[in-house]
Amino acid sequence: AQSVTQLDSQVPVFEEAPVELRCNYSSSVSVYLFWYVQYPNQGLQLLLKYLSGSTLVESINGFEAEFNKSQTSFHLRKPSVHISDTAEYFCAVSKISGNTGKLIFGQGTTLQVKP
Amino acid sequence: EAGVTQFPSHSVIEKGQTVTLRCDPISGHDNLYWYRRVMGKEIKFLLHFVKESKQDESGMPNNRFLAERTGGTYSTLKVQPAELEDSGVYFCASSFVGPYPNTEAFFGQGTRLTVV
Repeated sequence: AQSVTQLDSQVPVFEEAPVELRCNYSSSVSVYLFWYVQYPNQGLQLLLKYLSGSTLVESINGFEAEFNKSQTSFHLRKPSVHISDTAEYFCAVSKISGNTGKLIFGQGTTLQVKP
Repeated sequence: EAGVTQFPSHSVIEKGQTVTLRCDPISGHDNLYWYRRVMGKEIKFLLHFVKESKQDESGMPNNRFLAERTGGTYSTLKVQPAELEDSGVYFCASSFVGPYPNTEAFFGQGTRLTVV
C-alpha cells in the first residue's frame, strides 16, 4: 500500500519570496510521483510529474520538484512566488507496476501568497 | 475539446435524502475514477471504472454509495440515504487505458455536497 504525507497544511509567504512545500511518501513498490494544483473555484490540474530519469522536474510556471529516493520525498519549490500562485497543492503517487491511473493523495497544502 | 464535466457543482441536502452526482468524462476515455475529499483531509479514491465495468471499488465507504456507468460513457454516483459524514467534495477524473502516460488523469471541478 502507498501513503503520502504533506507536512504543512498551510504555508503563508510574501510575494517574490521562495517557497517549499514538503511531501513524503511511503510505498513498498516503485511509484510515479505527482504534484496537482487546485486554484480557487477550479478543478485539479497536473502541475508536474516524476516518471523516471532526471530527479529534478520542472513546470511551465516556474515550480520544480526533486525526487529523493533515499528520503522518499518529492518536495515542491519555487524561487519567487506570485500572487497568482495562491492555491491548494496536492502531492500524489501512483504505483508503476500494473498502473491503472489510481492516485493516492496527500492532505494538501494551501499556499497563501501575500502582497 | 470539452474536459471532464461534473454536475451539480453544489448540492445541499438533508440527512436521509438521496443525491445523485453525475460525471461526463472526456470523449474516448475508458477509465473513469471517483474520488472524495472530506474537509481538511486527503483526497481519497472511491472507485475505478473501465468502460462500464467496475475495476476497483475498494474505496467505496459503504453500501449507501452506488456508482454506475451505463454504456461506458457518463457515470453517476448515488448516495442513499445521505449521512452528515458524506459531506465533502466529490471529484471525477478520466483517462485513456494503457500504460502511463495513457493513464494520466484529467479531473473535473468537483461537486461540493453538503448534508445538513
